[in-house]
Amino acid sequence: DVKVTQSSRYLVKRTGEKVFLECVQDMDHENMFWYRQDPGLGLRLIYFSYDVKMKEKGDIPEGYSVSREKKERFSLILESASTNQTSMYLCASSSTGAQFYGYTFGSGTRLTVV
Amino acid sequence: AQSVTQLDSQVPVFEEAPVELRCNYSSSVSVYLFWYVQYPNQGLQLLLKYLSGSTLVESINGFEAEFNKSQTSFHLRKPSVHISDTAEYFCAVSGNTNAGKSTFGDGTTLTVKP
Repeated sequence: DVKVTQSSRYLVKRTGEKVFLECVQDMDHENMFWYRQDPGLGLRLIYFSYDVKMKEKGDIPEGYSVSREKKERFSLILESASTNQTSMYLCASSSTGAQFYGYTFGSGTRLTVV
Repeated sequence: AQSVTQLDSQVPVFEEAPVELRCNYSSSVSVYLFWYVQYPNQGLQLLLKYLSGSTLVESINGFEAEFNKSQTSFHLRKPSVHISDTAEYFCAVSGNTNAGKSTFGDGTTLTVKP
């Protein structure tokens, strides 16, 4: 069964810590995405990557960075965690061209910053 | 550029009643359209998709959606809902340039009451 795997389901971190959220896909997809989801705000795109070492800012990149050193892995980095980054983080991947059939999402990481 | 409007943020219905979740989109190019479902504390799952061909698409659990190009809509319907259909539903649109990137609506919470 093809999937997108996020390394943690629940995470609690302290203010000011550097936080790494990891995402791995096994579908050889070109595109990978990081979203955050907050009640009443829907899905907001943080960053996406369309190829190894390539990245583009989404709608809310401030306070975040990303890394994609290998095609299957896309990491989200919170440089200095703050309480307003408490949220559900969702990773997704998709193919392109004739193989684009929509996104495959991971199960999500619920991050609490205290 | 594309945008998606889900016209209802919350839809409460009784079990075995019919339901319609409304989605309108705007796009300057031809589109692919998707519905995703998110159960509590999980990631999103693809429910159904319109890529081309028949404008009526169906899912394996009884949902259907109809692509209406003239009204730029892609409403989701089910003739008889179950308690287990309680979830959040997201409509998404992609331009058919095959870039593999989607724009999501804000979501509709469907609550099925006994």
